[in-house]
Amino acid sequence: EAQVTQNPRYLITVTGKKLTVTCSQNMNHEYMSWYRQDPGLGLRQIYYSMNVEVTDKGDVPEGYKVSRKEKRNFPLILESPSPNQTSLYFCASSFRDGRLSSYNSPLHFGNGTRLTVT
Amino acid sequence: ELKVEQNPLFLSMQEGKNYTIYCNYSTTSDRLYWYRQDPGKSLESLFVLLSNGAVKQEGRLMASLDTKARLSTLHITAAVHDLSATYFCAVDRPETSGSRLTFGEGTQLTVNP
Repeated sequence: EAQVTQNPRYLITVTGKKLTVTCSQNMNHEYMSWYRQDPGLGLRQIYYSMNVEVTDKGDVPEGYKVSRKEKRNFPLILESPSPNQTSLYFCASSFRDGRLSSYNSPLHFGNGTRLTVT
Repeated sequence: ELKVEQNPLFLSMQEGKNYTIYCNYSTTSDRLYWYRQDPGKSLESLFVLLSNGAVKQEGRLMASLDTKARLSTLHITAAVHDLSATYFCAVDRPETSGSRLTFGEGTQLTVNP
């Protein structure tokens, strides 16, 4: 089954304790992205990756790191989590079309990770 | 900075009625997406609109795109309870280093029996 798998689904942690949220897709998608969803703010992009070893900042990258060593995996790292990073996080992936700078296939989303930082 | 605004943000309607959700965006783009999110669930793609004048229909939902007006609409025909969900539009913002999607705040739709 084609899917984007995030783990864990729920995570409660304390301020400053490093954590990683994993994301894996089995659709051979080039493009992957992380979003956070907060009430009244919709989804905001944290980081994205156009392909292996190519990553770039989204709109709210502060406090986050990513890596793309393999095509299927795109982990989100919080080196020193703070309470303002309490949110619902989604990983997503899609194909790229033939153009260098855009894509036209819809994003496939993971089931989300609800993170609480106390 | 690209801004994407949806309205209304909250919509309560009766089964059988029609209504339209609007998505306005602030800068040039020729790609717009609609997604649905059920409570506690992930987002599911509904429509991809790729050019001016594009119209797509699936069941009781129809989406259109007017790139000159920077406006997309999601029209609901004869609403049923199963359509209750939050609907997001997202606008593609092609940049030299890659595409970026900007999402609207979402429209929370409740269809009452």
